[in-house]
Amino acid sequence: DAKTTQPTSMDCAEGRAANLPCNHSTISGNEYVYWYRQIHSQGPQYIIHGLKNNETNEMASLIITEDRKSSTLILPHATLRDTAVYYCIVRAGAGSYQLTFGKGTKLSVIP
Amino acid sequence: DTGVSQDPRHKITKRGQNVTFRCDPISEHNRLYWYRQTLGQGPEFLTYFQNEAQLEKSRLLSDRFSAERPKGSFSTLEIQRTEQGDSAMYLCASSLGQSKSSYEQYFGPGTRLTVT
Repeated sequence: DAKTTQPTSMDCAEGRAANLPCNHSTISGNEYVYWYRQIHSQGPQYIIHGLKNNETNEMASLIITEDRKSSTLILPHATLRDTAVYYCIVRAGAGSYQLTFGKGTKLSVIP
Repeated sequence: DTGVSQDPRHKITKRGQNVTFRCDPISEHNRLYWYRQTLGQGPEFLTYFQNEAQLEKSRLLSDRFSAERPKGSFSTLEIQRTEQGDSAMYLCASSLGQSKSSYEQYFGPGTRLTVT
């Protein structure tokens, strides 16, 4: 599996955009980048995924660099409910559907 | 609705006892996964079912652990002769069996196990 590197923690002011970076320099050409988040005492929640192009949904935007070695998850208007651990995940090996989580980034949204 | 449910939410047991957890996936999902999460760490994959077939098991799944998914619906995870190191949150997830969308896994709230 391609490994990912994320900052341990980040702060963001409520109402501002939260930009969460992820490095995946060893990603293979057919591997997707997925983002999940885990709010305290809950199971992880799917946010978004992408291959090459930037993606946007109702929750967030995903910006993937042209060389695909890094990506940024953007929460456009962070709220207190966005306080969570955010995991950047690259697809597991061939034939496997498991998700390989790292330690993620603890995002604290501050009033 | 709908989402993935797990029972019980909390379990306290004494070392050496057996415990069993249940997971009910989203009804149309044919793939089901078990993960384990310890404090401060991300979830770790344990095992995966497609319908009733157990297709993959992690090396983390020792001989004391067994999982089943009879009839391809709910699943159970049993831990025999529990040890203190088994204390963790046990998470269940499910997904549709269609290529890329299989990575959109929907997680339950987890069962927190404490072994004393």
